[in-house]
Amino acid sequence: QLVLTQSPSASASLGASVKLTCTLSSGHSTYAIAWHQQQPEKGPRYLMKLNNDGSHIKGDGIPDRFSGSSSGAERYLSISSLQSEDEADYYCQTWGTDFHVVFGGGTKLTVL
Amino acid sequence: EVQLLESGGGLVQPGGSLRLSCAASEFTFSSYAMSWVRQAPGKGLVWVSAISSSGGSRFYAESVKGRFTISRDNSKNTLYLQINSLTAEDTALYYCAKGSAPAASIDYFDSWGQGTLVTVSS
Repeated sequence: QLVLTQSPSASASLGASVKLTCTLSSGHSTYAIAWHQQQPEKGPRYLMKLNNDGSHIKGDGIPDRFSGSSSGAERYLSISSLQSEDEADYYCQTWGTDFHVVFGGGTKLTVL
Repeated sequence: EVQLLESGGGLVQPGGSLRLSCAASEFTFSSYAMSWVRQAPGKGLVWVSAISSSGGSRFYAESVKGRFTISRDNSKNTLYLQINSLTAEDTALYYCAKGSAPAASIDYFDSWGQGTLVTVSS
């Protein structure tokens, strides 16, 4: 079964960097994912598509501070020079050969 | 810039029905698959349903199969979700989302609407 696992929470200081992780279930380590950001009281925003080789396609207007990388079944979202507006929920998303879409449970990022 | 504007949400009694709409603009609507995603209060994102660009293929999460119907009118650039037999567990913000690749039935979402709230309560 295709499952995405995310840590429920993360925190980092203003101006620092943080790396969020999304883990694909066993047997699905080659799948691409997408990262989405949801700021408080707002709709989700597409950040990037991330392939298993680490290549990624960012959405329009996404700052260079946001980047993605991959290692095995892990997919990472790195944010550098953290700003207050980066405090948000971050979701990973993938899609299966059975034409279903799966979301991770989301990581709540707190900027200290 | 892609625009997706949901409407049709509201307060409905258990067992009732609603029809949600998503008006799309600033892209060739008929070329892209579309989806509905919902978010219960304080919870995460959950995919509900998807429809191919032509409308010929439709896909549903197991939790809504048989109660929800997705459709689209490419002449009106509008996506729909008919939701029946509503229960309190269907209370959520409902978002429409655009697929990224022309002609793909299912892939990642590169644009989102702002959502429409469905509240099921007596």
